[in-house]
Amino acid sequence: DGGITQSPKYLFRKEGQNVTLSCEQNLNHDAMYWYRQDPGQGLRLIYYSQIVNDFQKGDIAEGYSVSREKKESFPLTVTSAQKNPTAFYLCASTADGFGTEAFFGQGTRLTVV
Amino acid sequence: AQSVTQPDIHITVSEGASLELRCNYSYGATPYLFWYVQSPGQGLQLLLKYFSGDTLVQGIKGFEAEFKRSQSSFNLRKPSVHWSDAAEYFCAAADKAAGNKLTFGGGTRVLVKP
Repeated sequence: DGGITQSPKYLFRKEGQNVTLSCEQNLNHDAMYWYRQDPGQGLRLIYYSQIVNDFQKGDIAEGYSVSREKKESFPLTVTSAQKNPTAFYLCASTADGFGTEAFFGQGTRLTVV
Repeated sequence: AQSVTQPDIHITVSEGASLELRCNYSYGATPYLFWYVQSPGQGLQLLLKYFSGDTLVQGIKGFEAEFKRSQSSFNLRKPSVHWSDAAEYFCAAADKAAGNKLTFGGGTRVLVKP
């Protein structure tokens, strides 16, 4: 079945360590997105990529980095520069950019201790 | 600034009763509008979307939404709620003039009483 796979589902890291969240899709979608979800704040856009080897900052990109070397993959690195990294992270993809239906992964809950 | 507002953080409804979730948007022009549902610890699933045309939109799981341009609203409704409808619901808008970037409201958590 086609879909988006995020791994791991739960991730624990010590403060000051970088951590990479995986996102893979087999929907043949061009565009992929990373959102951060905090209680009561909805989803906030971190980074998005409309095409391979290209990506743009979203609303809260500071402390995060991404790469898009393959169409299927869009990993997110949470760096030590992110002041409050504990959150639920969601990856999504769309067939041709915003404005069309977004398909979401199951999310990764990152806890920094 | 463009924004999507869901005024109700929590709503409790009895099983079998009707449900209405409010959503207001603030955009220069009418954006694309969406409603998503999220079960605890899961990703989001699209319930319905509005691009243009008929202002009453039918979605999955018996949900519908009505677009009202005069009120900048896109409220979600269901005539009879089931226990499985307990979840968090997000309204979202995509601005055509800004590359269709998707902006989400803060979400409304729905609790269903037996």
